[in-house]
Amino acid sequence: EPEVTQTPSHQVTQMGQEVILRCVPISNHLYFYWYRQILGQKVEFLVSFYNNEISEKSEIFDDQFSVERPDGSNFTLKIRSTKLEDSAMYFCASSPGTVRETQYFGPGTRLLVL
Amino acid sequence: AQSVTQLGSHVSVSEGALVLLRCNYSSSVPPYLFWYVQYPNQGLQLLLKYTSAATLVKGINGFEAEFKKSETSFHLTKPSAHMSDAAEYFCAVSSNTDKLIFGTGTRLQVFP
Repeated sequence: EPEVTQTPSHQVTQMGQEVILRCVPISNHLYFYWYRQILGQKVEFLVSFYNNEISEKSEIFDDQFSVERPDGSNFTLKIRSTKLEDSAMYFCASSPGTVRETQYFGPGTRLLVL
Repeated sequence: AQSVTQLGSHVSVSEGALVLLRCNYSSSVPPYLFWYVQYPNQGLQLLLKYTSAATLVKGINGFEAEFKKSETSFHLTKPSAHMSDAAEYFCAVSSNTDKLIFGTGTRLQVFP
């Protein structure tokens, strides 16, 4: 069964460094998402992406964050200058269609900012 | 605006007992509701979803949920718990855009 994959599974970085989290969505899906889960807290929406542009973003998704689909398979989340509070599990998700379709989640990347 | 409230951050049951995980929602539009499960060190897996068809929704692993509009609830149940059901369970509502709004989660423990 097709699944969303994410790399790396764990990343440790120093505050102020740039990180890129990578995701490979399910191949025929058209909508892509990033969510994050700070330890002990709820899963929060960051951004949705369709047709090579951001369709919605949360207030968390400030200028330090960017997303890109550099080729036909990868979907990346970049944090330009990491802060301590960016430490979280980051989940990528994809869905085949538009509003309210099931979103399929990857296993997550655990980011630790020191 | 949409929101989800999960009552009980931790639920413990004995193996073979009924599982009941509570979820109440608030939505300004007819909601689509989801239950996801997260096993340790894994991602979120869809258990079931309500999309305005049948109010009783059956999912994987013997779980089901009933949509009750009058109570704004979408509680998750399983008649007989198994040790492998131990995990974190998240209720979510789909907004009138495409983002999911999650509850705070309920950790289910199953004792032998």
